[in-house]
Amino acid sequence: DTAVSQTPKYLVTQMGNDKSIKCEQNLGHDTMYWYKQDSKKFLKIMFSYNNKELIINETVPNRFSPKSPDKAHLNLHINSLELGDSAVYFCASSQEAGQETQYFGPGTRLLVL
Amino acid sequence: DQQVKQNSPSLSVQEGRISILNCDYTNSMFDYFLWYKKYPAEGPTFLISISSIKDKNEDGRFTVFLNKSAKHLSLHIVPSQPGDSAVYFCAASVNNNDMRFGAGTRLTVKP
Repeated sequence: DTAVSQTPKYLVTQMGNDKSIKCEQNLGHDTMYWYKQDSKKFLKIMFSYNNKELIINETVPNRFSPKSPDKAHLNLHINSLELGDSAVYFCASSQEAGQETQYFGPGTRLLVL
Repeated sequence: DQQVKQNSPSLSVQEGRISILNCDYTNSMFDYFLWYKKYPAEGPTFLISISSIKDKNEDGRFTVFLNKSAKHLSLHIVPSQPGDSAVYFCAASVNNNDMRFGAGTRLTVKP
């Protein structure tokens, strides 16, 4: 059983397009996260939601808008994609906010052309 | 499918002693392995990595060991310092793609 799943796995798109990445966890966790992995493999936290409510919103362009329809889902919508958005995006979840043991999804590799 | 597992959620070590963090994986196609360190309210930061063609990689106090036959990875920290207290994630990838993470081990180094 997949604990944290992301779709799509790969996403290739043109500059200026709008795209979404979906994340779902079946662990019953309250908190979900989005991370962006840069070329040096560092993971930068973007957003965190606890029970559908935003609790962390790092300095991220407002072209990025997370949406949490329920606590099992945290989707990432990106408007007007730019070349610099190309990266691997990881979703993760934890039992509760502030808990550092996290389960990561397999990642979505986004390539903006 | 948890292809990368860290079976110990926590580890407590005395300052100056060795910390050994363990990680097991199931996918024999993994060819690149990484350890990340995470402080509270921050994203994980890359610490050290190893390619599958090696069995050991050392960087200062940190050494990563890879046992491919056992599909086992470990991180040794010697000597451990209180500042090493954090959550450590292991990760593995195939051709630098499809990276999978373990759930993390919280290391506490006591003064």
